[in-house]
Amino acid sequence: ELVLTQSPGTLSLSPGERATLSCRASQSVTSSYLAWYHQKPGQAPRLLIYGASYRATGIPDRFSGSGSGTDFTLTISRLEPEDFAVYYCQYYGGYSPPLTFGGGTKVEIK
Amino acid sequence: VQVLQSGGGLIQPGGSLRLSCAASGFPFTKYVMNWVRQTPGKGLEWISSITGTSGSTFYADSVKGRFTISRDNSMNTLYLQMDSLRAEDTAVYYCASSPDTIFGAVMPSWGQGTPVTVSS
Repeated sequence: ELVLTQSPGTLSLSPGERATLSCRASQSVTSSYLAWYHQKPGQAPRLLIYGASYRATGIPDRFSGSGSGTDFTLTISRLEPEDFAVYYCQYYGGYSPPLTFGGGTKVEIK
Repeated sequence: VQVLQSGGGLIQPGGSLRLSCAASGFPFTKYVMNWVRQTPGKGLEWISSITGTSGSTFYADSVKGRFTISRDNSMNTLYLQMDSLRAEDTAVYYCASSPDTIFGAVMPSWGQGTPVTVSS
């Protein structure tokens, strides 16, 4: 069964800094089915990136996704105050269960 | 696109509960609908999905045989019947829509979440 491992567990940064989040798959996956979400306290997750690198509707261009095979990255070029949240990667391919989420990376204000 | 959840609450171990999710603003039958839960302080766990017209269902091993997903396309509503509830089922449950007719698609729209607490 696929496992997605996110690192680091917590990232402490200041507004304006660059954030680089990692999502590593336990086996090679199709990048077309790799997504990123963020979640603020008390809110539902929000889709940021799908297909590894495509921004969802309304997502600002400071968010970018990349990667292939087993290693994927979410980059936030300059952190805004509203970007401090927990970020999850998800693999949604394979046409059979389960749909797998990573354990999350918390981006907190330094 | 909007999904509005209802149901949930406090239930004793071994009890049953039904969650509902009313959808609007999109062609409901053309979307796969999903349930995802989040245990306190933990991450996200996909638990079940159902396709639009054929109604094919999919479950995580953790809930298979205890939970039943269903949908009423005439009412644009998704359901999750939860039986034989356990303490470890305590979580916030989210419904989420996937703009595809087959299992395994991204989830752009989520409900507000509904808390379920299993405790005596």
